[in-house]
Amino acid sequence: GAVVSQHPSRVICKSGTSVKIECRSLDFQATTMFWYRQFPKKSLMLMATSNEGSKATYEQGVEKDKFLINHASLTLSTLTVTSAHPEDSSFYICSALIDGVSNQPQHFGDGTRLSIL
Amino acid sequence: SQKIEQNSEALNIQEGKTATLTCNYTNYSPAYLQWYRQDPGRGPVFLLLIRENEKEKRKERLKVTFDTTLKQSLFHITASQPADSATYLCALGGADSSYKLIFGSGTRLLVRP
Repeated sequence: GAVVSQHPSRVICKSGTSVKIECRSLDFQATTMFWYRQFPKKSLMLMATSNEGSKATYEQGVEKDKFLINHASLTLSTLTVTSAHPEDSSFYICSALIDGVSNQPQHFGDGTRLSIL
Repeated sequence: SQKIEQNSEALNIQEGKTATLTCNYTNYSPAYLQWYRQDPGRGPVFLLLIRENEKEKRKERLKVTFDTTLKQSLFHITASQPADSATYLCALGGADSSYKLIFGSGTRLLVRP
């Protein structure tokens, strides 16, 4: 149980392209999801908290117009990297919380490797 | 500012031995601490959660301790196996009303056959 699917797993595209990453909870409802960015051998850095039906909450220093988050249903959140540039290349990971469960872990997807040429 | 420290150097041990990983933190009062395993190119997988009022938690070959006075957690894997080789992340949470976690940078464990 508690499976989170992230798609695509890898994206290679040209500079200036916008890229959409999907995060789906397959067997549970998730009002709250999180988006992280991870550099090689570094910690997961929280980018934003995604809330179904409301605006995402972005961490300090994260450009909300650059990283658009949409959480339109209880099982899907999307992250769109707009006008991506080489410095946006990274490993992006989402996680989800099961609705109605307290003191629980986060359930992670398998990440998206984004490479901007 | 909040800081979480995990040993950045890889831990290299012989199969069958006990692996002990350390997580230290400062400027934070977590309600709970979590340990995750991360394999290369994959997302983290939850292992154990320990609350601030708990001293120790066990699950099969895994044991976690939590000392809020020392601001430290120890993560033990007994009878280690090569399949245990991975990066292990500690994460703190619950200091505020959100469900956000703050992650350490992880310690890479290598278990030699």
